[in-house]
Order: sequence, then C-alpha cells, then structure tokens
Amino acid sequence: DAKTTQPPSMDCAEGRAANLPCNHSTISGNEYVYWYRQIHSQGPQYIIHGLKNNETNEMASLIITEDRKSSTLILPHATLRDTAVYYCIVRVWGNSGGSNYKLTFGKGTLLTVNP
Amino acid sequence: DAGVIQSPRHEVTEMGQEVTLRCKPISGHNSLFWYRQTMMRGLELLIYFNNNVPIDDSGMPEDRFSAKMPNASFSTLKIQPSEPRDSAVYFCASSLARTGEQYFGPGTRLTVT
Repeated sequence: DAKTTQPPSMDCAEGRAANLPCNHSTISGNEYVYWYRQIHSQGPQYIIHGLKNNETNEMASLIITEDRKSSTLILPHATLRDTAVYYCIVRVWGNSGGSNYKLTFGKGTLLTVNP
Repeated sequence: DAGVIQSPRHEVTEMGQEVTLRCKPISGHNSLFWYRQTMMRGLELLIYFNNNVPIDDSGMPEDRFSAKMPNASFSTLKIQPSEPRDSAVYFCASSLARTGEQYFGPGTRLTVT
C-alpha cells in the first residue's frame, strides 16, 4: 500500500470548516483513499473513501486532486465532538484479493476543535 | 444495527492467567479483524478472518495468542499465559469483503499485572 503523509496536529474553531490534508504521491491507479478517525478511548470510525472523484456523505467531503497525489478531508462545520485523530489510508478497494484487506494506520492528524 | 460488540470492555488480570476476549461482528459482514493498540506501536492487525476462515495470522505476536471464529457471529482472541507486555486495547472490526470499509468495536482494555 502507498504511504501517506499527514500533519501531526491541527486546530480548528468550532463551527468552522476543518480541512485535513493528506499526501499520497506514490498511490497506484487501483488504490482508493480512505479516511478513518479515532475519538479518544473509542475504536476507529470509518468516514469516507474515494478513488478520483470528489465524494460527500453525511459526515464529510473528500477532495482528491486530479493527479491523485493528495487529498483533503473537509468537515464543513466542526464541533467539539469532532476532536479526534484522523487517519488517511490508501489501499485497494475490497478485501477479496492479495493483502488488500489490511488497513495500515500511521500516526494520523490530531484535530482539536476549540470552542 | 448494534455495531460490533466486544466483551469485556475492561479486563485486569495477573501475569500467567488466561484471558479471553470476545467479539460479535455486524450481522451480514463476512470479514473479521483483530487489532491491538498501544502507545508505542499504534494500531496493529493481529489476524484476519474471511468467511470464518483465518486468512492471515502473521500479526499474532507469538504462540501465546490464538483466535477462533466458530461461526459468522462470534470470534474469540485468547492469550495464554498472559504477560504484562500484552497490556493494550484490543479492537475487533468487521466488514463486507466486497467493499472493505471496516467497522470497529469499542475495544477491550486489557491490563496484565
């Protein structure tokens, strides 16, 4: 799986958009970008994933650059409950072949939402 | 759906004792994962099951660790004998093999004294 680079920490004001960057310059053509987060003392939580088009769900938006070498997770209106470590992971979609079932968690970005 | 269920949530035991952690995956999911998280090593995959069959146990630290999945709705991770260095939070996760998004349980915090 391609490696990712994320800033170790970021701050955001409550109610503002939180934009979390991720670099994945060695991503392969069949690898997706996945985002998970881990709130303190809880298990990681799946947020969103995408291949090359921008994606949006009820939790967040994912913007992937045209060359797919970087992406940004956007939390449109951050709340205090969004304070967590956010992990950007690239891997092949699904679990059906090879070792692509593995999620390799790096250190992620600690997002702190301030009141 | 109740999500992935793990028990117990907390376990404190003495070195040398047997520890059994339990997991009930989300109904309909056919892939199950056991992870361990420590401050030093972060989140590590221990073992992966697909359709109740262990596919990859290369992350299991040593023979003291064993995992079973007797049916689609239940899995156990056993440590025998336990050691202080096994102290960690153990997470179980499940997914549909087709899609790959993994859904994690709340974890079991294990302390071995």
